[in-house]
Amino acid sequence: LRLQESGPRLVKPSETLSLICTVSGGSLSRSGHYWGWIRQTPGKGLEWLGSIYFTGATYYSPSLQSRVTLSIEKSRSQFSLNLTSVTAEDTAAYFCTRQFYGGVVWGQGTLVTVSS
Amino acid sequence: DIQMTQSPSTLSASVGDRVNISCRASQPITTWLAWYQQKRGQAPTLLIYKTFTLETGIPSRFSGSGTGTEFTLTISSLQPDDFATYFCQQYNSYSGTFGQGTKVEIK
Repeated sequence: LRLQESGPRLVKPSETLSLICTVSGGSLSRSGHYWGWIRQTPGKGLEWLGSIYFTGATYYSPSLQSRVTLSIEKSRSQFSLNLTSVTAEDTAAYFCTRQFYGGVVWGQGTLVTVSS
Repeated sequence: DIQMTQSPSTLSASVGDRVNISCRASQPITTWLAWYQQKRGQAPTLLIYKTFTLETGIPSRFSGSGTGTEFTLTISSLQPDDFATYFCQQYNSYSGTFGQGTKVEIK
C-alpha cells in the first residue's frame, strides 16, 4: 500500500488549504479501513484531523470540525482534505493515512506553509 | 479526549542497551495502543499495534506491554538504526491521540 499527498505547499492566510491523497496497492473500499489526515508541528506534535470511510461517512476532530471537510473519490483512488480560513498555526507537515484496528499507515507527508 | 503523556522526553543510550519508553493515558484505554518510530524528515512507521502485536517486518527486539493507563515500549538491545523519535497512540478504527514523543539519542 502506498499513499501519496499532493497539493500546494504555500497557502495564504484566510484561504483554503486543499490536499489530495492518491492510494495505490490497495482498495479504498476495503471494509474496516478508514482514510484520513494527520498533521505534525514542532509545537503541537501529531494531531488527527479527520477520517472518511468508503461509504462517505466522516469523522472530524472536534477542535477543527468547523473548518475541515474530507471527501473521497473511489474511482480515482483518491481522498482529499479541505481546511478553510487557515492561519500561520496551520503551517505543518500533513500526512494522509490509512487507519484500522492494526494501526496507521502513513504517506510520506507534505509540508504546507501558511504565509502571505 | 484522552491525553497521552510519554516519558522521558529524551533518552540517551548506547548500542546494546535495553531501553524502556513509558506512555501514560489520562484515563483507562478501552480501545487500542500503538507505537511508531519516526526518523528525521520521514513519516512515522508502525512498530506495534493493539499494545503487543509486532507489525510485519519489525525486528523482534521491539516489544510492547501494558494495560489500563500504563504502557511501555521496550527495545531489548538498541541498534544503530534505532536512534529516532518514538510516539505512542491510543486509537480506534478512525481516530486517535498521540504522545508528545521520546527522542532516543546516542550516549
